[in-house]
Amino acid sequence: DGGITQSPKYLFRKEGQNVTLSCEQNLNHDAMYWYRQDPGQGLRLIYYSQIVNDFQKGDIAEGYSVSREKKESFPLTVTSAQKNPTAFYLCATRTGHEKLFFGSGTQLSVL
Amino acid sequence: QQQVKQSPQSLIVQKGGISIINCAYENTAFDYFPWYQQFPGKGPALLIAIRPDVSEKKEGRFTISFNKSAKQFSLHIMDSQPGDSATYFCAASRPSGNTPLVFGKGTRLSVIA
Repeated sequence: DGGITQSPKYLFRKEGQNVTLSCEQNLNHDAMYWYRQDPGQGLRLIYYSQIVNDFQKGDIAEGYSVSREKKESFPLTVTSAQKNPTAFYLCATRTGHEKLFFGSGTQLSVL
Repeated sequence: QQQVKQSPQSLIVQKGGISIINCAYENTAFDYFPWYQQFPGKGPALLIAIRPDVSEKKEGRFTISFNKSAKQFSLHIMDSQPGDSATYFCAASRPSGNTPLVFGKGTRLSVIA
């Protein structure tokens, strides 16, 4: 996961609270992605961005929001509308058509 | 059309044995098929990948077999070791820039001594 920093490693959310997960990269990659991982569910795409100031919804975007103001940063906000936020969240980057690089993840839990 | 179906969901193999994980896809536009390895609490990492112009690719103990006509590909781990115990994901991608990879649901491999 060199070059991709996700923080924090663990995060706890109270009912009704919005929380933001950070993803920073120094690989100079154009595309960035957010995945959610639940046991037995594989990797589900939340949002992705191919260039700065542009992003697209993935398969499970409801209850989440993102921004891409800088090439290096792609923060994910888990809003209070996401009723089941407990999961392992993974940020990834990619340049061109092939290899996807993943960060080390953030485990989000509900208090 | 966008799905990649992976099996089995879990696998237990004796040390020194062969681990085999299978994936099937429907979209014939896919042209890149990687396998990712994930250890607990870590992000997945690219293990090996293949393009459909070859039927097999080998890197050390890891081999991808690809059957274009059947739209299937598989990962073989020879001489499986306890350190190979991890979750493995297959994926597929279309040839259009940074279009997201489509992932299988993963296989949890346990190699026991």
